Amino acid sequence: EDQVTQSPEALRLQEGESSSLNCSYTVSGLRGLFWYRQDPGKGPEFLFTLYSAGEEKEKERLKATLTKKESFLHITAPKPEDSATYLCAVQALGYSTLTFGKGTMLLVSP
Amino acid sequence: DAGVIQSPRHEVTEMGQEVTLRCKPISGHNSLFWYRQTMMRGLELLIYFNNNVPIDDSGMPEDRFSAKMPNASFSTLKIQPSEPRDSAVYFCASSLRLQGGVGANVLTFGAGSRLTVL
Repeated sequence: EDQVTQSPEALRLQEGESSSLNCSYTVSGLRGLFWYRQDPGKGPEFLFTLYSAGEEKEKERLKATLTKKESFLHITAPKPEDSATYLCAVQALGYSTLTFGKGTMLLVSP
Repeated sequence: DAGVIQSPRHEVTEMGQEVTLRCKPISGHNSLFWYRQTMMRGLELLIYFNNNVPIDDSGMPEDRFSAKMPNASFSTLKIQPSEPRDSAVYFCASSLRLQGGVGANVLTFGAGSRLTVL
């Protein structure tokens, strides 16, 4: 059974204070690892897909990295508008569905 | 594109009543997913359709839950009878799967339907 564990559950940062969110996963064979952002009262919004260990992707202040067991979402010099819940999900080879972690709730204070 | 459209956005009902949630996927997408989100369990897959055919309904909690996709532009999730433990946010998502199902499956989510069962 695919498993995704995210840590920490919640993270509070000051504006400009860089940090990382962790996503540990167990999957029989990885098709893709996904990061989504979810704002309160809204559905998850796609950020990145990573396919293989060593891969990195960037978008503005966010950079996602992948190893064989975990993924990190690095947030550089965050701003208050980066406050959201960040969700990690995996898709196993041969399957079309995604298994999600419970998310990390990020709050960036001015 | 209007994205994935869900209705109603909020539903408050009493235990025992029937609840129907509706979803219009993105035009051209051939896969549709129903997820449920709670604080305790996070996002859980309920059912997945491909080309309007249910492929995996192993996440449907019990016989009180049913889902249909009569055509490519409409799906419903029905709960009958509803119970307080069904209170959650229900999300519909759609994607375009290539023939053979290869490649990563990027889901686009709707805004969700928040269900409260009293």
